[in-house]
Amino acid sequence: KNQVEQSPQSLIILEGKNCTLQCNYTVSPFSNLRWYKQDTGRGPVSLTIMTFSENTKSNGRYTATLDADTKQSSLHITASQLSDSASYICVVLSGGYNKLIFGAGTRLAVHP
Amino acid sequence: DTAVSQTPKYLVTQMGNDKSIKCEQNLGHDTMYWYKQDSKKFLKIMFSYNNKELIINETVPNRFSPKSPDKAHLNLHINSLELGDSAVYFCASSPRLAGEYNEQFFGPGTRLTVL
Repeated sequence: KNQVEQSPQSLIILEGKNCTLQCNYTVSPFSNLRWYKQDTGRGPVSLTIMTFSENTKSNGRYTATLDADTKQSSLHITASQLSDSASYICVVLSGGYNKLIFGAGTRLAVHP
Repeated sequence: DTAVSQTPKYLVTQMGNDKSIKCEQNLGHDTMYWYKQDSKKFLKIMFSYNNKELIINETVPNRFSPKSPDKAHLNLHINSLELGDSAVYFCASSPRLAGEYNEQFFGPGTRLTVL
C-alpha cells in the first residue's frame, strides 16, 4: 500500500531555532518527492521537488534531503521565523500521471 | 493576479442537497485536479483532467461529478450531500499531465460543511 508517514505530528520551537522534519514513504513506482507548506486556511505551496537522483535541494532557509535507498526524506528549517508556523507536508509522486500521495503533515508552531 | 481560484470559500448546506464548487486557473495550464482534505488533514486526489479529458478518477462516489467546460475551468458538482462529505476541497492545476518537475498549484480551498 502506498503510504507517506511523517514525524513528528507537531512541533513547537522558538524563533531563531532550527528544526528537522522527517518523512518515510512506501510508494511504488516512485517518481519524485516534494515538500509543501500549508498555512492555516490556505492551499499547499511547493517548497522543493527532488527526483530519484537528487539527494539535497535548498529553497532559502529550507533544505530538503532524500535517501532513495532507505526511502526517507527530511526538511531542515534554519533560523526559524514566526511566518514558518504552518503544516509541512511530504508528498510523493507515483507513476506517470502526476498522482500525488500526501503525508498527514507536521504542524510547526514557531513561538517568539 | 495569476492564480487558481475557487468559489465559494465556505459552503454550509443540509444533507441531501446538491451543490457545486467552481474552480478557475489563469496560469495557462493543461491539467486540473480536485483534492479532498479530511479532518485528519490528509489530502487525497479525487479527479484530474487534462485538456478537458478525465484522466484520474479515484473511486469517488458517483454523487461527485466533475465538469470541465474548458481547460481553464474544472467544476465539482455534488449530489445528495452526506455528512461524510464535510471536508475542505482543493482545486489545483499543473502545466501538463506528467513530468518530474511538473509543479501543481493549489487554490485556497472550499470548506464544505454538511449539517
